[in-house]
Amino acid sequence: EDQVTQSPEALRLQEGESSSLNCSYTVSGLRGLFWYRQDPGKGPEFLFTLYSAGEEKEKERLKATLTKKESFLHITAPKPEDSATYLCAVPKTGGYNKLIFGAGTRLAVHP
Amino acid sequence: DVKVTQSSRYLVKRTGEKVFLECVQDMDHENMFWYRQDPGLGLRLIYFSYDVKMKEKGDIPEGYSVSREKKERFSLILESASTNQTSMYLCASSLGQLQPQHFGDGTRLSIL
Repeated sequence: EDQVTQSPEALRLQEGESSSLNCSYTVSGLRGLFWYRQDPGKGPEFLFTLYSAGEEKEKERLKATLTKKESFLHITAPKPEDSATYLCAVPKTGGYNKLIFGAGTRLAVHP
Repeated sequence: DVKVTQSSRYLVKRTGEKVFLECVQDMDHENMFWYRQDPGLGLRLIYFSYDVKMKEKGDIPEGYSVSREKKERFSLILESASTNQTSMYLCASSLGQLQPQHFGDGTRLSIL
């Protein structure tokens, strides 16, 4: 069964304390993985797409990496404004448009 | 930047009412989607449309229908609203297959 699991569920960091969020997936023939950021009361905001194992993408303090079984979102020297829920999603097996979303990681960065 | 606009941020309706949620995108995207988001259940796909007048069921289509008469507009219809349809509804659009989906800010719907 297609599944996306994110860990940890919640993460509390001090400002400047780097860490990583994990997204593991079980789908046949991965065709892409998407990372989103969601602020309270808002829709998810697209961050990255990764299409193949070994691929990396960066944006400011965020760096996403992909292996054959999981993806990591590395946050370097986070700031309070990085506090949000981070979601990952993959296309379902055989479904190019149907995404399965993980439950998300709630990140809180304290000054 | 892609802009996906949902007509209402908050909506309160009564059980049995027919409810319309509207979504408009301004980037000429082929695909449009409706999700609901509930605590502990995450984002679940209700319906999506890959062209005008074309639609496909998602994971939880029961109790919902959709309409796409123009490329930029995608409507979600609750035929007879029930309390278990109280949720945050999110609309999204994408350029094509395996392209990122871009979301609106959601409609928080309460059915009393």
